[in-house]
Amino acid sequence: NAGVIQTPRHKVTGKGQEATLWCEPISGHSAVFWYRQTIVQGLEFLTYFRNQAPIDDSGMPKERFSAQMPNQSHSTLKIQSTQPQDSAVYLCASSLGDWGVEQYFGPGTRLTVL
Amino acid sequence: QQKVQQSPESLSVPEGGMASLNCTSSDRNFQYFWWYRQHSGEGPKALMSIFSDGDKKEGRFTAHLNKASLHVSLHIRDSQPSDSALYFCAAIYNYAQGLTFGLGTRVSVFP
Repeated sequence: NAGVIQTPRHKVTGKGQEATLWCEPISGHSAVFWYRQTIVQGLEFLTYFRNQAPIDDSGMPKERFSAQMPNQSHSTLKIQSTQPQDSAVYLCASSLGDWGVEQYFGPGTRLTVL
Repeated sequence: QQKVQQSPESLSVPEGGMASLNCTSSDRNFQYFWWYRQHSGEGPKALMSIFSDGDKKEGRFTAHLNKASLHVSLHIRDSQPSDSALYFCAAIYNYAQGLTFGLGTRVSVFP
């Protein structure tokens, strides 16, 4: 079991460019979550899929952020027109089901917007 | 203001000593508390969850929840250098809205 896989581990983009982050959840896990981590704000929930269906995206900045889960083996987080304030570590987690069970986090993708 | 507040911000503990971390919720309507630990360059890893009043022990880790005071604590007995990490308290308020994390307590274990 390789755990949750996130690629790339580091990404540098210029202001205004697009960034796509990839997540491969643990096989058999039905729930996938995206979080963002910064020094100032800490860990913030972005969005949640259950059985590939979007359940909640209340933490997503509405205009430039989008997430998809086209199949059970991967999810993507896309940020359009990246801004310096989008610089953060983006973490993906998966779990077997509901919120009461443990979430397994990937190592994160460090996004730097110049 | 953070919905989940942790204290202290940082903590130095001698090897073999006891580390005590605190967490308070500003919202009474929590379902669970989780404690997560994050080593540098890695994602957070769950240590334990607690939802009933009282103590819950897993190895060298003991969590204590007091629902009346909305307070949960984590105690690490016989601290080891490998326990040096960032520790997060996280609460579930709504099953459809994700974990709400505190800002963390950085624990350093020195020889």
